[in-house]
Amino acid sequence: GQQLNQSPQSMFIQEGEDVSMNCTSSSIFNTWLWYKQDPGEGPVLLIALYKAGELTSNGRLTAQFGITRKDSFLNISASIPSDVGIYFCAGQLSTNAGKSTFGDGTTLTVKP
Amino acid sequence: NAGVTQTPKFQVLKTGQSMTLQCAQDMNHEYMSWYRQDPGMGLRLIHYSVGAGITDQGEVPNGYNVSRSTTEDFPLRLLSAAPSQTSVYFCASTPSAGGETGGYTFGSGTRLTVV
Repeated sequence: GQQLNQSPQSMFIQEGEDVSMNCTSSSIFNTWLWYKQDPGEGPVLLIALYKAGELTSNGRLTAQFGITRKDSFLNISASIPSDVGIYFCAGQLSTNAGKSTFGDGTTLTVKP
Repeated sequence: NAGVTQTPKFQVLKTGQSMTLQCAQDMNHEYMSWYRQDPGMGLRLIHYSVGAGITDQGEVPNGYNVSRSTTEDFPLRLLSAAPSQTSVYFCASTPSAGGETGGYTFGSGTRLTVV
């Protein structure tokens, strides 16, 4: 099946620093999604990307859909303590959105 | 709207017991899925449904059954619980198969321990 490699596995940063994480796949996807999971909760969608090369922002978050359709990255600028959590990438084929493939997640810790 | 509601939030089972994890959504979404999350691992797909009456297997279906008799409900049944099924289970839904659907809405999870 399709596999997603998400890196880094974990990050420890100071408040105010910028963060970058990425996902790569052996297969192409039609949609890339980025989610955040807070402790004890389900993942919440942050950004959805639908076109190769697309660059989309949501506040301090920016994500890009790689032009090869096999990768995506997420940047967080000027991190704050509430950015702490696990960030997941996910890939979808447009013909079967119910079968999203998820990366293993990046755990972010922000030191005040 | 409540979104995706999962019950129970916590459950402890003995090996060999069976139980049903409930999931309901009130957004009229076609697609519903069950994922399990284990420490240090991403979300692995157990089963999914593309609409009422239609289900299919995901990556890790063994030991689980599902049915979809209505658009709203998508229960997950553990047939004979095993310690390897100790995990956090998430139900999720999305409006339709393709296009710019905006990804999943997740429930808050069921934390299952099998002893």
